[in-house]
Amino acid sequence: EPEVTQTPSHQVTQMGQEVILRCVPISNHLYFYWYRQILGQKVEFLVSFYNNEISEKSEIFDDQFSVERPDGSNFTLKIRSTKLEDSAMYFCASTSRNYGYTFGSGTRLTVV
Amino acid sequence: AQSVTQPDIHITVSEGASLELRCNYSYGATPYLFWYVQSPGQGLQLLLKYFSGDTLVQGIKGFEAEFKRSQSSFNLRKPSVHWSDAAEYFCAVALMEYGNKLVFGAGTILRVKS
Repeated sequence: EPEVTQTPSHQVTQMGQEVILRCVPISNHLYFYWYRQILGQKVEFLVSFYNNEISEKSEIFDDQFSVERPDGSNFTLKIRSTKLEDSAMYFCASTSRNYGYTFGSGTRLTVV
Repeated sequence: AQSVTQPDIHITVSEGASLELRCNYSYGATPYLFWYVQSPGQGLQLLLKYFSGDTLVQGIKGFEAEFKRSQSSFNLRKPSVHWSDAAEYFCAVALMEYGNKLVFGAGTILRVKS
């Protein structure tokens, strides 16, 4: 069964550093998403991406965040200057027309 | 405002007992409906989804869910719980248009006692 792949699985970074989280969505899916889950909390929508541009973003997705599809397969989330409160599990997802939202296994980001 | 409510933060059931996890939504129209399961430190696995048609939906791992339009509910059920079902369960909804984001409920943590 096709999978969404996320790398790395864990990342520890110093406050103020930039991080890039990587995702490979399912190849025939057209919409891609990033979600965040702070430990013990609900899964929160960050941004959706379609046709090489952002289609929707939440209020969490401020100027510190950006997304990119640098080639035909990767989908990245960049956090420019990390803060302690950015520590969370970040999930990538993609969807097909039959509404199969498939999630990756996540990247656990720890900001120290 | 659009919202998804899972009123039970924690539920504890005995192994072999039946289970029902509640989910209510508040949307202008009937959305697409989903249940996901998450084991500690793991990703989100889709249990089942409802788009239209038969209001009783069968999923993986012996789970089913029933859509009730009159109650704006999509409750998850399992007739006999196994210890391996202990996890966190999330209800999620998306407006009926391709590409709309999923909105998640706060989750229900299921504990199974032997």
